[in-house]
Amino acid sequence: QVQLQESGPGLVKPSETLSLICTVSGAPISSYCWSWIRQSAGKRLEWIGRICRGDSPNRNPSLESRVSLSLDTSKNQFSLKLTSVTTADTAVYHCAREVAGPGGWFDRWGQGTLVTVSS
Amino acid sequence: DIVMTQSPDSLAVSLGERATINCKSSQSLFYNSNNKNYLAWYQQRPGQPPKLLIYWASTRESGVPDRFSGSGSGTDFTLTINSLQAEDVALYYCQQYFSTPGSFGQGTKLEI
Repeated sequence: QVQLQESGPGLVKPSETLSLICTVSGAPISSYCWSWIRQSAGKRLEWIGRICRGDSPNRNPSLESRVSLSLDTSKNQFSLKLTSVTTADTAVYHCAREVAGPGGWFDRWGQGTLVTVSS
Repeated sequence: DIVMTQSPDSLAVSLGERATINCKSSQSLFYNSNNKNYLAWYQQRPGQPPKLLIYWASTRESGVPDRFSGSGSGTDFTLTINSLQAEDVALYYCQQYFSTPGSFGQGTKLEI
């Protein structure tokens, strides 16, 4: 059974860097593509970016300059860093497995972690 | 970027009745080379992450009840839920994966 679990600080100050890790169990991280998706209080879902082993990461152009993604196959984890955060980055951040990707649908999701940007 | 628009924003349906949710994309999601529409549907119950229901516009994910069905092609798609159950109260989202960045509709809230 594939499970994903996000971890990281729940509170980040404006202008600082948001860092999250997604730990995957039940599937080798090297065999799929993995994405980050966030959900604002208004419930809109926004794709942030994806990483696949052996490929360059893809990022949403709206966030591209602030996003970095990485994969740690030894720990079966992938991570997100979002720099220079503002209150607009406050959201629930989900990690998800992407099927038929890159450029596919998401068949497994983490529960999500709320990140609040506030001083 | 492809913009996805759902309608209605919310709807209330009686138990046992049918619910219909529409999704419109700003450009065609149909790929001629494989005759597939690059569209998925998700259900999000309160306090839960989204759950995949349908992909390729009409293929049900394993374990999803057959009262959930997807239809449509090109730019217009529909999610139909027959014989509505209380457990179907949720937000429903469409998502296009025809091009990067993948994008979601704004969501439709389904109530009893």
